[in-house]
Amino acid sequence: QVQLQESGPGLVKPSETLSLTCTVSGGSISTYYWSWIRQPPGKGLEWIGYIYYSGNTNYNPSLKSRVTISLDTSKNQFSLRLSSVTAADTAVYYCTRVATGGSGWFYFDSWGQGTLVTVSS
Amino acid sequence: SYELTQPPSVSVSPGQTARITCSGDALPDLYAHWYQQKPGQAPLLVIYKDTARPSGIPERFSGSSSGTTVTLTISGVQAEDEAEYYCQSADSSGTYVVFGGGTKLTVL
Repeated sequence: QVQLQESGPGLVKPSETLSLTCTVSGGSISTYYWSWIRQPPGKGLEWIGYIYYSGNTNYNPSLKSRVTISLDTSKNQFSLRLSSVTAADTAVYYCTRVATGGSGWFYFDSWGQGTLVTVSS
Repeated sequence: SYELTQPPSVSVSPGQTARITCSGDALPDLYAHWYQQKPGQAPLLVIYKDTARPSGIPERFSGSSSGTTVTLTISGVQAEDEAEYYCQSADSSGTYVVFGGGTKLTVL
């Protein structure tokens, strides 16, 4: 059974870049799509973007100008970078595996436990 | 931007049936999926592709679709089902992921 674990700084200063890594165990990062989702405290879920093992990416239009998702198949990891952060980016960040069959459907069948990132000086 | 609309809250007594709806103009053409989230925990997939149930999810969880509305039904609700439930689909172009705002299920 695949397991995902987020890691990275829990505190980031405004205007700096948030960087998180997700380590995948119990399965190969190849052959699947992988995604980041966030949840501000007390609020709902927001999809950030996903990456395919080939390197193809797709980002939420509202975040696209600030987001980069990449992967390292040698380490079975994928990463998130979010630039120019503000307090509005304070959230629990989840990494997930994506199930998709094309034709516009995607769902998230495995989730990391989530990591809280606070943006504050 | 495309939105999925859920009621903010639903309340039921133990043993009753809870129905949580999710509405969106593109739902007749796109699948919807449902997640359960308990406080302090990551979301858990409970229904995918409108009606399919992942292994390990109790049979009391079911999904249905009719026109622009999909429904998560929990039959014989138990206290442990109290949680936030989110629907998820894609936008009308099928390109971007969209979540509903979430529904808080309270078991009275």
